[in-house]
Amino acid sequence: GDSVTQMEGPVTLSEEAFLTINCTYTATGYPSLFWYVQYPGEGLQLLLKATKADDKGSNKGFEATYRKETTSFHLEKGSVQVSDSAVYFCALSDYLQGAQKLVFGQGTRLTINP
Amino acid sequence: DTAVSQTPKYLVTQMGNDKSIKCEQNLGHDTMYWYKQDSKKFLKIMFSYNNKELIINETVPNRFSPKSPDKAHLNLHINSLELGDSAVYFCASSQTTGAISYNEQFFGPGTRLTVL
Repeated sequence: GDSVTQMEGPVTLSEEAFLTINCTYTATGYPSLFWYVQYPGEGLQLLLKATKADDKGSNKGFEATYRKETTSFHLEKGSVQVSDSAVYFCALSDYLQGAQKLVFGQGTRLTINP
Repeated sequence: DTAVSQTPKYLVTQMGNDKSIKCEQNLGHDTMYWYKQDSKKFLKIMFSYNNKELIINETVPNRFSPKSPDKAHLNLHINSLELGDSAVYFCASSQTTGAISYNEQFFGPGTRLTVL
């Protein structure tokens, strides 16, 4: 079945560093791709999404480009802040039995030190 | 506020007990979901309901029984709780219209279940 693989964490960076969190996927069709973020003690929030090849999703300084040729959707940010500390989940959208199903990667915990 | 809400936020109980978690969304969505997040933060879908009808059941033990009294509510009842049921359970909702593959799912804050 479909699957998502993220780079293993935890990732620790200093403030203003460049961030990359790798994400690759396996899918039989043409899924949509998402990055969700989970701040401590909270639920998941959609960070950005891309629905077709070469689409770039962006939000709050984060970007990710849907690369069909490498089946990747890496998350990047040019200058991270302490407030970006959270767990980040890459996900794809699968269509099963008439319903959307999100398939998540294992999550990457990001800690930004001042 | 428009949102997905869950109760309770924390649930601590003994093995063998029966417990329920409630979820409500006031976003007007027609599809609701339950996800389980284990201690390693791995998230996996359990159930999905569309217009009160069960449409996804991901090989979950039949001790878990979802119930959707209406489109805005999806409750999760768990019988005979086991240690391995300890996890954070997230409810989510989305609107299934048009090209559904990229419809955003909105998540509740989670219910942390601890089975002793």
